[in-house]
Amino acid sequence: GQQLNQSPQSMFIQEGEDVSMNCTSSSIFNTWLWYKQDPGEGPVLLIALYKAGELTSNGRLTAQFGITRKDSFLNISASIPSDVGIYFCAGHTQGGKLIFGQGTELSVKP
Amino acid sequence: NAGVTQTPKFQVLKTGQSMTLQCAQDMNHNSMYWYRQDPGMGLRLIYYSASEGTTDKGEVPNGYNVSRLNKREFSLRLESAAPSQTSVYFCASSGPLLAGGSHSYNEQFFGPGTRLTVL
Repeated sequence: GQQLNQSPQSMFIQEGEDVSMNCTSSSIFNTWLWYKQDPGEGPVLLIALYKAGELTSNGRLTAQFGITRKDSFLNISASIPSDVGIYFCAGHTQGGKLIFGQGTELSVKP
Repeated sequence: NAGVTQTPKFQVLKTGQSMTLQCAQDMNHNSMYWYRQDPGMGLRLIYYSASEGTTDKGEVPNGYNVSRLNKREFSLRLESAAPSQTSVYFCASSGPLLAGGSHSYNEQFFGPGTRLTVL
């Protein structure tokens, strides 16, 4: 079946540092999504990417959809304590289902 | 609008017991989903319902059943709970496709989750 590999699995950083995480797939997706899950909550959509090569920003977040449509990365600049949580990439299938990566757990030290 | 709500928030079961997890959405969405989240494995789709009256298996359906009671509600049932079903369960719903053509997507909105422990 389709799989997404997300790395790193976890990150411990100092407030103010930049963060980068990425996701690769064995299959092509037409749309890539990045979600964030706050502790004790459900995931919330951060960014949607639907053109190969596209670079999209949302505040301090920047995400890119790889040109091969098999990978994506998410950058967070100048991290703050509320960035703590689990970040998931997800590929959107033609049937409307999402295939999720394993998640990157981010911890930020004030 | 409450969005997607789930009950209960926490549950502890003994092996072999049954229970139903409830989910409701007030966004008039056609599609609803049940996922389980396990450490290091992301979210995996258990069952989904593309519209009222239809349900389909996802990636990990064994040991579960679902009911799309009406457009608002989608329940997940464990008939005979096993320790391997200890997990956090999320319900989600999605509305019409956004953007267009082959680049369209459905934004899924998630509930707060149910943390289930099976002893």
